[in-house]
Amino acid sequence: GEDVEQSLFLSVREGDSSVINCTYTDSSSTYLYWYKQEPGAGLQLLTYIFSNMDMKQDQRLTVLLNKKDKHLSLRIADTQTGDSAIYFCAEYSGGYQKVTFGIGTKLQVIP
Amino acid sequence: NAGVMQNPRHLVRRRGQEARLRCSPMKGHSHVYWYRQLPEEGLKFMVYLQKENIIDESGMPKERFSAEFPKEGPSILRIQQVVRGDSAAYFCASSRDGANQPQHFGDGTRLSIL
Repeated sequence: GEDVEQSLFLSVREGDSSVINCTYTDSSSTYLYWYKQEPGAGLQLLTYIFSNMDMKQDQRLTVLLNKKDKHLSLRIADTQTGDSAIYFCAEYSGGYQKVTFGIGTKLQVIP
Repeated sequence: NAGVMQNPRHLVRRRGQEARLRCSPMKGHSHVYWYRQLPEEGLKFMVYLQKENIIDESGMPKERFSAEFPKEGPSILRIQQVVRGDSAAYFCASSRDGANQPQHFGDGTRLSIL
């Protein structure tokens, strides 16, 4: 079955790094995504990683994938107050692009 | 703005009324997905459609809910005889034709049932 788990809450100080973790269960997942949701808004695709990659870096964002442990993380360097939001991990599995979302991690950045 | 457009942004209905939520996918996208987000919860898949076809409706309640994506016009999620438990944010996403394309989301419709 498919299940994506995330911790509910993370608090960091402005300027520090944030690491948001996610575990998934479907070993056939081919893509894993990180989305950001600000209050009252939809989900914004931040980045994604293909399952044959270990790491992907995009400016302040670094995604690490441990396929053996089915563990995905999102690191935000130099976290800013504008990064405060809910971050969703999602996995793609299935031939018709069914995506399963985690419950979301609420990131609070303290000035 | 070539993003996914949803309307209305907010919808208020009384119990027993019908709710119609609209979604226009991004230009060039022919796959549409509907999700429901309850307060303090993640997104739950409801239905996946391509033009004129429902591909997967496994997440949609069998009664009162229906979805369509006609050849012309937006995708519609319809909820008949709404109840309090239908209050949620409903998000639409679209992706380009083909496999392994990321889904892009609209800003959602917040449905409130009085």
